[in-house]
Amino acid sequence: AQSVTQPDIHITVSEGASLELRCNYSYGATPYLFWYVQSPGQGLQLLLKYFSGDTLVQGIKGFEAEFKRSQSSFNLRKPSVHWSDAAEYFCAVGAWGTASKLTFGTGTRLQVTL
Amino acid sequence: NAGVTQTPKFQVLKTGQSMTLQCAQDMNHEYMSWYRQDPGMGLRLIHYSVGAGITDQGEVPNGYNVSRSTTEDFPLRLLSAAPSQTSVYFCAIRGGPDSPLHFGNGTRLTVT
Repeated sequence: AQSVTQPDIHITVSEGASLELRCNYSYGATPYLFWYVQSPGQGLQLLLKYFSGDTLVQGIKGFEAEFKRSQSSFNLRKPSVHWSDAAEYFCAVGAWGTASKLTFGTGTRLQVTL
Repeated sequence: NAGVTQTPKFQVLKTGQSMTLQCAQDMNHEYMSWYRQDPGMGLRLIHYSVGAGITDQGEVPNGYNVSRSTTEDFPLRLLSAAPSQTSVYFCAIRGGPDSPLHFGNGTRLTVT
């Protein structure tokens, strides 16, 4: 069965500092990986996705993620965090295909201090 | 989150009551799904549909019914609400095999 682990429940960083959110997955085939962000009271917004090709993918809002097959990881990074990045971040894994079911991690809540 | 409309935004039910959470989309996507979000548990798939007339169970289907009579609508029914169904419910759609899920803004349900 597929699964996603986000080991950090809560992270606090200072504005302007770099950020890395960890995501480890378990999947039997080639994974389709996503990062979503959720602001309070809102739905989930896609930050970026990876299926194949370049293992470093760029997303919206200055975020990027790197797929490392040997480590089963898909960590999210941002070089300089802004106060508006405070939110909850979810990693998800699934298969290619319209009927694919996505499995989500439990999320990492990011707090940004000024 | 234009394209996916969920109603109501908030709902309080008593144990044993029934209700339907509505999800409507105007993007003509075949794939629609329902997730519930609980603190510390991420999002868990309840039911999904790959087209009108086709539905299937997800990870946590018990206590919920769905049907898909049109492409646009995918209602989620609670026949007899229980406190364990207190959660935030999200409808999500998907346009094709290389498309990500696109979420509605959610319905916050409290069962007392």
